[in-house]
Amino acid sequence: GQNIDQPTEMTATEGAIVQINCTYQTSGFNGLFWYQQHAGEAPTFLSYNVLDGLEEKGRFSSFLSRSKGYSYLLLKELQMKDSASYLCAVNSGNTPLVFGKGTRLSVIA
Amino acid sequence: DSGVTQTPKHLITATGQRVTLRCSPRSGDLSVYWYQQSLDQGLQFLIQYYNGEERAKGNILERFSAQQFPDLHSELNLSSLELGDSALYFCASSVAGLADEQYFGPGTRLTVT
Repeated sequence: GQNIDQPTEMTATEGAIVQINCTYQTSGFNGLFWYQQHAGEAPTFLSYNVLDGLEEKGRFSSFLSRSKGYSYLLLKELQMKDSASYLCAVNSGNTPLVFGKGTRLSVIA
Repeated sequence: DSGVTQTPKHLITATGQRVTLRCSPRSGDLSVYWYQQSLDQGLQFLIQYYNGEERAKGNILERFSAQQFPDLHSELNLSSLELGDSALYFCASSVAGLADEQYFGPGTRLTVT
């Protein structure tokens, strides 16, 4: 089967750093995606990892360990507009994308 | 704006009815995906089309069907609607449909009463 786990909710302070973890168990692996979704809106692409290591893109970084079935999304210098759900998704080869249920991040002043 | 368009934005209908949701992919994208998102389930993959042909199928009910037309737009047909079908339905598109990035449309919010 396919299983993706993320924490349901997280809260962090404006200006701080937050790490959102994702663990996965899938029958195959062709890459891991992170998407951001504001309430009632479409998911928007943040990052893609297919090789082990860290990918940095501005305030956002994503890390992957294929051997551990583990990824994290790191958000630095948090802003109020970063309050959203963050979705971890795996391309297993059988199904284009399997999504986790998402982590709802609240940024507080 | 992702370049993916979906119509209608909102749809309210009664149980037992049939509806059609429409999606136009980004210019140049050959793959179209349909997802259902309800409050407690997260994003569920329904079906993928690539250049007019069905490529992958997820947990799509038999009451649901989809197709992709020669101009690459796609339609998702939902029939014999039940209260539990109330959800946000997203369409996404990508260039090739392998492990590439998907661009999501704004969604259609379906309410079944």
